[in-house]
Amino acid sequence: QVHLVESGGGVVQPGRSLRLSCAASGFSFGTSGMYWVRQAPGEGLQWVAFTSYDGTNKAYADSVKGRFTISRDNSKDTLYLQMNSLKPDDTATYYCAKLTVFRGPFDYWGQGTLVSVSS
Amino acid sequence: QSALTQPRSVSGSPGQSVTISCTGTSSDVGGYNYVSWYQHHPGKAPKLIIYDVSRRPSDIPDRFSGSKSGNTASLTISGLQAEDEADYFCCSYGGSYNYVFGTETRVTVL
Repeated sequence: QVHLVESGGGVVQPGRSLRLSCAASGFSFGTSGMYWVRQAPGEGLQWVAFTSYDGTNKAYADSVKGRFTISRDNSKDTLYLQMNSLKPDDTATYYCAKLTVFRGPFDYWGQGTLVSVSS
Repeated sequence: QSALTQPRSVSGSPGQSVTISCTGTSSDVGGYNYVSWYQHHPGKAPKLIIYDVSRRPSDIPDRFSGSKSGNTASLTISGLQAEDEADYFCCSYGGSYNYVFGTETRVTVL
């Protein structure tokens, strides 16, 4: 059974940093592309960052480029999102999602972890 | 890219059918046959119910169906059941590494 479990969310002041983790189980994590997707309160979802199965290809939404870094440790079946210089607009529930194939759907998601950026 | 437009809510009685629209542009919905739909019970992980516009994962009942015309995709739930009450959102591939998501629709079973 596939599980994706996010952790690391919380309340943080603007300008500070936070690192999210996503622990994967039940599938071959090391051969899967992964995304971080977020949903701000009352808003639609927005993709944040992508990593290829081996971490060699990465992409970021313009809104987080230069501040967020996606990474993965395939030996630990874990995905990360390092978030620096946080802004109030980054307040959202952050989900990790498994990509099936390039251009394909997300076949598994986690339950999300809430990040609140506030002074 | 802007979010895909979905109605805020739809409702129906048990056994009825409801349809949720998802309107984008020629750069996303209209440009690719890579539209997917997800069921999302609040506080739980979203679940894939439709992919590639109209394909269903093997564990999804055929009450759920998808279609697309131009820049608008649609999800239809036939034979509505109480367990279908949830939020639903669409997603379209938008080129490169981009995916565009819908604004979520709350389905209420009356």
